[in-house]
Amino acid sequence: DIQMTQSPSSLSASVGDRVTITCRASQTIGKYLSWYQQKPGKAPNLLIYAASTLQSEVPSRFSGSGSGTDFTLTINSLRPEDFGTYFCQQSYSTPRTFGPGTKVDFK
Amino acid sequence: QVQLQESGPGLVKPSGTLSLTCTVSGGSISTSNWWSWVRQPPGKGLEWIGEIYRSGGTNYAPSLKSRVTISVDVSKNQFSLRLTSVTAADTAVYYCARLAVIPAAIGFDSWGQGTLVTVSS
Repeated sequence: DIQMTQSPSSLSASVGDRVTITCRASQTIGKYLSWYQQKPGKAPNLLIYAASTLQSEVPSRFSGSGSGTDFTLTINSLRPEDFGTYFCQQSYSTPRTFGPGTKVDFK
Repeated sequence: QVQLQESGPGLVKPSGTLSLTCTVSGGSISTSNWWSWVRQPPGKGLEWIGEIYRSGGTNYAPSLKSRVTISVDVSKNQFSLRLTSVTAADTAVYYCARLAVIPAAIGFDSWGQGTLVTVSS
C-alpha cells in the first residue's frame, strides 16, 4: 500500500496569509495526487487533481505543485471561508489512500 | 452535475451486517468512472473502503476485503455496500463518491452527503 503523510497536522493563520501544506507519498505516484477541503459535518470537496489542476469553480488562490513523492498545496491570501481540514489522496494505485489531514484554523 | 445520495440503516448491531445503497442522479452510472465507498470515524480521517466499475469489477481495501462486498445495479443507477461482522470500530460516517477517470483516475469529484452508521446493541 502507498502511505500518505502530511505536514503540519494543524496550523493557525490569519486572513491574508499564505499557507502551505505538504504531502508525501511512500513511493512514487507520478502526478496522481488530489487535494480536498472538508468542513465540519460536510463531505470533502475536491480542490485540485493531477497534482496541479484546479477543479472547476475552485478559487484561483488555491494551487498545487509537485510530482513523484512530494507535493504541496498553497493557499494564497487566506480567506475566512478557507477554514477546515485539508486532505491529500493518491489515485495512482489501489488501495486509494488519503493523508491524515491538516486542520487550518484562524488565529 | 451528478449527485449521489446514501441510504440505509443508521444503527447496526455488533456482529451484524451493514448495508448501504448509493443512488446516482443527474448522470449515468454506466460512465467510465469508479464508484466508491469511503468512511470517516468520528473525529478521524478518511478511509477508502472500495470501488466498483460499471462492468462489475471491484477493488477493496486489504484491511476490509474479507468482510466487504460492493455491487452495482445499472438499471436502478445504484451501487451498494455490504460489510459483515461489524464491530464498534466500524462506526463511522459512510460516503459514496465518484472517482473520476479522464482517462486515468484523477480524484473523487462527487460525493454523497454522508450517512452516520453506529454499531451498538
